[in-house]
Amino acid sequence: KAGVTQTPRYLIKTRGQQVTLSCSPISGHRSVSWYQQTPGQGLQFLFEYFSETQRNKGNFPGRFSGRQFSNSRSEMNVSTLELGDSALYLCASSSHGEANYGYTFGSGTRLTVV
Amino acid sequence: TQLLEQSPQFLSIQEGENLTVYCNSSSVFSSLQWYRQEPGEGPVLLVTVVTGGEVKKLKRLTFQFGDARKDSSLHITAAQPGDTGLYLCAGGRGTYKYIFGTGTRLKVLA
Repeated sequence: KAGVTQTPRYLIKTRGQQVTLSCSPISGHRSVSWYQQTPGQGLQFLFEYFSETQRNKGNFPGRFSGRQFSNSRSEMNVSTLELGDSALYLCASSSHGEANYGYTFGSGTRLTVV
Repeated sequence: TQLLEQSPQFLSIQEGENLTVYCNSSSVFSSLQWYRQEPGEGPVLLVTVVTGGEVKKLKRLTFQFGDARKDSSLHITAAQPGDTGLYLCAGGRGTYKYIFGTGTRLKVLA
């Protein structure tokens, strides 16, 4: 079965702009989580959605937001981009929505803010 | 606050050598996972350990969960260049909270 699909793979934006990233989870998976990965901070949890509801949120400013659609596809949005937002953004899906089983990750979207 | 500390942070070894990576915390985790990530890709799940003291083997990789469920180790026997990558442990605390470790970057030289 198809894996987790993230689009686009690469993105270059200018400071102050906004960006929307997309994630299609594995068919049947209802939980989608988003992570930001940078060399200095490692993998940082952004938020998790389950059946269109945000169930958990990390410590990121309100400029970072997300949503999940009825087909489980998810989008995350970053407004008023800052240079420090440059990172690999990873989406992960899970069938159970519980951390005990681990996650399947997409290949990520590499965002560069200039 | 980083709840999962991995050591070493970097490791460069020759092909055929053995190595152990550690994942430590002062907190109890309901489960721990190990992932390997290659450049430009997302992490790939290697194993899940749930029971204190549990040992799992995946070919040349051996994973152990501490008795108190606060730490874990990954041992690789006879490392190969294909083992090169970033190794991440991750822990579940309750149903919806999931934390990644600081990572160990492994390079195996041919």
